[in-house]
Amino acid sequence: NAGVTQTPKFQVLKTGQSMTLQCAQDMNHNSMYWYRQDPGMGLRLIYYSASEGTTDKGEVPNGYNVSRLNKREFSLRLESAAPSQTSVYFCASSEAEGGGTDTQYFGPGTRLTVL
Amino acid sequence: GENVEQHPSTLSVQEGDSAVIKCTYSDSASNYFPWYKQELGKGPQLIIDIRSNVGEKKDQRIAVTLNKTAKHFSLHITETQPEDSAVYFCAASTYSSASKIIFGSGTRLSIRP
Repeated sequence: NAGVTQTPKFQVLKTGQSMTLQCAQDMNHNSMYWYRQDPGMGLRLIYYSASEGTTDKGEVPNGYNVSRLNKREFSLRLESAAPSQTSVYFCASSEAEGGGTDTQYFGPGTRLTVL
Repeated sequence: GENVEQHPSTLSVQEGDSAVIKCTYSDSASNYFPWYKQELGKGPQLIIDIRSNVGEKKDQRIAVTLNKTAKHFSLHITETQPEDSAVYFCAASTYSSASKIIFGSGTRLSIRP
């Protein structure tokens, strides 16, 4: 039981490049989330998926897209990376549909640098 | 929208002493308040949570108190140990939507031997 896995662990991009961050969970959870963590700003929600087949914007969605590929997988795409997207990205999942008041289980994070 | 403020940003305590971290929130509709611990190089992990129908909750050396009237909640760690050194985040959310979950900016707790 691996919990929440994320790939890659580290990535360096040049401005304008695109990439997809992958996330998978093996706990049969319904809700999945993408956060970014910047120094002094805590965790900010980018997008979430309250159930398979649905996605919704969080606090900071601009510049990102997501896909809930199936119940296990939730990917985050940067179409044209910008230096402001340099951050640590965390994927999380929770059991209940809808989320919000459920324990969230976090992956180990992806450290992204955009030059 | 919701705003969560967390204080202090850094805290250093002697091993064996108590540590207290405080958070305030702005949205009176918030009714779920979790606390997460993040160790270096890892993702956050839930350590305790409290819902709005409860004023206090304890789990061994950890306790959380909630004052809904004043819109603040606190994390108390007693008999601190070296393994308590980490960054702690509070959060507030509502039952209605995951998009409402807002995290505080974090507190870096250091335990001095």
